[in-house]
Amino acid sequence: SQELEQSPQSLIVQEGKNLTINCTSSKTLYGLYWYKQKYGEGLIFLMMLQKGGEEKSHEKITAKLDEKKQQSSLHITASQPSHAGIYLCGADKYRAGGTSYGKLTFGQGTILTVHP
Amino acid sequence: EAGVTQFPSHSVIEKGQTVTLRCDPISGHDNLYWYRRVMGKEIKFLLHFVKESKQDESGMPNNRFLAERTGGTYSTLKVQPAELEDSGVYFCASSDRIYNEQFFGPGTRLTVL
Repeated sequence: SQELEQSPQSLIVQEGKNLTINCTSSKTLYGLYWYKQKYGEGLIFLMMLQKGGEEKSHEKITAKLDEKKQQSSLHITASQPSHAGIYLCGADKYRAGGTSYGKLTFGQGTILTVHP
Repeated sequence: EAGVTQFPSHSVIEKGQTVTLRCDPISGHDNLYWYRRVMGKEIKFLLHFVKESKQDESGMPNNRFLAERTGGTYSTLKVQPAELEDSGVYFCASSDRIYNEQFFGPGTRLTVL
């Protein structure tokens, strides 16, 4: 089983529609990162969440981390073709002593297609 | 500010050959990470440098992989000899602190024939 479960695996929406991508872990996380990847390109950093209940927004994208720090959602409002790509959640785990390992574990990714 | 750069962008080699991948992190970033994505799988951690020291190499698949970061600046990842299962996209990332965001390079697509 995956350490980080992302859902859905793929999503096709009409331009202007809202959508949500979820990322779930069985363990409490030190931090949760959202990245976007376009085909053939690197990962573009979107947001990092480290506190339970935290919510961050940038333009039309909002990311939330639940209180237990095991589940995160990425919400896009009024989607545009420029939002299309692969969305990846990455998680940083706790090391003994309360610090982080630094290395990220990733979900499988969600392929988002936005039709004009 | 320049981002993380990687060279080459693509490499096609035959089984048994040697390939060296290079990563230049963002200037001033002490933390450098290597990750790999093989076809159909999620991105997986390979190793982590703090300056020139290997902090964590628990993700390195086997001893055919050798990573170095002399002087704590750029890093190289050598695969010798390459096998078919080594094909994939190798990403490099850097961060200024361990718990801060990691910025990724564009990746090197390695194909072993």
